[in-house]
Amino acid sequence: AQTVTQSQPEMSVQEAETVTLSCTYDTSENNYYLFWYKQPPSRQMILVIRQEAYKQQNATENRFSVNFQKAAKSFSLKISDSQLGDTAMYFCAFIYDKVIFGPGTSLSVIP
Amino acid sequence: GEEVAQTPKHLVRGEGQKAKLYCAPIKGHSYVFWYQQVLKNEFKFLISFQNENVFDETGMPKERFSAKCLPNSPCSLEIQATKLEDSAVYFCASSQSPGNYEQYFGPGTRLTVT
Repeated sequence: AQTVTQSQPEMSVQEAETVTLSCTYDTSENNYYLFWYKQPPSRQMILVIRQEAYKQQNATENRFSVNFQKAAKSFSLKISDSQLGDTAMYFCAFIYDKVIFGPGTSLSVIP
Repeated sequence: GEEVAQTPKHLVRGEGQKAKLYCAPIKGHSYVFWYQQVLKNEFKFLISFQNENVFDETGMPKERFSAKCLPNSPCSLEIQATKLEDSAVYFCASSQSPGNYEQYFGPGTRLTVT
């Protein structure tokens, strides 16, 4: 069975600084997808970034980028130039035939 | 529509009462997923549908939970005889495929069992 671990329950970062959220997963599958979702206090789930396991190149989406290490089963999210609106829960998700979410990291951006 | 719609936004039920939640997936999406998010934020997968057929129900508590996706109707998740621990936000998501496409989430239904 697949599992997803986020070892940082809470993190904080100063506005305009860079922060990295860690995620590791366990699977015996070879082709799968990994996502980071953001959940602000409104509870709406927002897709931040997507990575296909067969692609070696790390995904980038504006201020958000990932460090995908397939052999290590690691999928960390880097947020550059942090903004107050980045304050939210961040969930790492593994997708093969259904979504397995990690337990989440609560990120606070401090003015 | 272009968004996943969930109704109602909030639902309050006394313990032992029935609760029914609805989800309208994005038009053209064949897959519908239900998740339960309890107060400590962890998501639990409940069930998924491919059109009107159950695709994966490994997360479904069989005793009191049931779900349907009928043609030309919103999908539904029903909880018979609710318990206090059923209090959670229930999310519906839809996608074009179960594995390799983004799942689009609805705004959720907050169920409070008193």
